[in-house]
Amino acid sequence: SQQGEEDPQALSIQEGENATMNCSYKTSINNLQWYRQNSGRGLVHLILIRSNEREKHSGRLRVTLDTSKKSSSLLITASRAADTASYFCATETGGFKTIFGAGTRLFVKA
Amino acid sequence: DTEVTQTPKHLVMGMTNKKSLKCEQHMGHRAMYWYKQKAKKPPELMFVYSYEKLSINESVPSRFSPECPNSSLLNLHLHALQPEDSALYLCASSTRSRDPNQETQYFGPGTRLLVL
Repeated sequence: SQQGEEDPQALSIQEGENATMNCSYKTSINNLQWYRQNSGRGLVHLILIRSNEREKHSGRLRVTLDTSKKSSSLLITASRAADTASYFCATETGGFKTIFGAGTRLFVKA
Repeated sequence: DTEVTQTPKHLVMGMTNKKSLKCEQHMGHRAMYWYKQKAKKPPELMFVYSYEKLSINESVPSRFSPECPNSSLLNLHLHALQPEDSALYLCASSTRSRDPNQETQYFGPGTRLLVL
């Protein structure tokens, strides 16, 4: 079963612009993670935010978590063509069970 | 070495064939995972092995049979598959520490399976 819903489903922006993706989930979580997937390939871990954290930064990435609303957002600043990929949130609910959201397909135009 | 390898990269099989997918990691991780991913969909968890023991089976049909011969190796045996089983099969591993907030998963590139 799918835990998270993400919006938008697809996002097209110009290089240099910021990209924001949102994720909502249904159950209580230990942490929420964001992954990137280039077309048809494996996933790469981007950032993990714990359930007791509200915001986290890593390079050009900023993640927020609102456990009261069961939602998270991923902001990519100053996007580059190389950021073109699908982005998934993933929640760890216990017992090493990870559930991925539907994903946002980001296209950055050069 | 932070790599998870998967073989083969591509596999075409008939519905009566028996084949196996292989996944290997040498990071000392003690949790290994199989996911199935259809086109434009998120990965769906199939199996989790923890310390070489099956800990999660997400009600996967018996035509998929996982095996974890040792802590570095994970296999997925395939038999009598259906065309709807065509997908990208992803393997992942993680440390299996006591702290779930340390459990970042490292993914392999996947095996693209086509069932005819």
